[in-house]
Amino acid sequence: DAKTTQPPSMDCAEGRAANLPCNHSTISGNEYVYWYRQIHSQGPQYIIHGLKNNETNEMASLIITEDRKSSTLILPHATLRDTAVYYCIVRVVGAGSYQLTFGKGTKLSVIP
Amino acid sequence: DTAVSQTPKYLVTQMGNDKSIKCEQNLGHDTMYWYKQDSKKFLKIMFSYNNKELIINETVPNRFSPKSPDKAHLNLHINSLELGDSAVYFCASSQAQNNEKLFFGSGTQLSVL
Repeated sequence: DAKTTQPPSMDCAEGRAANLPCNHSTISGNEYVYWYRQIHSQGPQYIIHGLKNNETNEMASLIITEDRKSSTLILPHATLRDTAVYYCIVRVVGAGSYQLTFGKGTKLSVIP
Repeated sequence: DTAVSQTPKYLVTQMGNDKSIKCEQNLGHDTMYWYKQDSKKFLKIMFSYNNKELIINETVPNRFSPKSPDKAHLNLHINSLELGDSAVYFCASSQAQNNEKLFFGSGTQLSVL
């Protein structure tokens, strides 16, 4: 699986958009980009995933660059409850031996 | 109703004891997992079961023995507990083996004294 690089921490003002970057310069053509988050003392929570097109759901938007070497998770109106560690993961879908590997992630702090 | 539930939430025990953590999912998923999150917050997969059959066993000591009586349950039994086993253990499930959308339980914090 391709390796990802994320900033260790970020701050965002409440009500503003939170833009979380992820670098995955070695991504291959059949690898998807996944985002999970882990709120303190809880299990990780799936947010969104995509291959090459931008994706949006009720939680967030995922913007993937045209060369697919980086992506940005956007929380359009961050709230205090969005304070969490956000994990960017790349993974081949349909591989025979399934394994979701979590890195260090970005600790997002939403500030009142 | 909680989709993936695990019990107990906290477990404090002495070195050398044997303990079990239970996990149940009511999502109708085929695949279940155990993850371990250590003190540095790294989350690592331990086991994966698909329809009660083991499909992943990631270099975990054989003191750890998962058991899946049916596809809705995946329990984790740990023999001869060691100090290094102290961590938060998360159960998770997914619809199918190759489905990356995992649903996690709230975790079991194990402290070995």
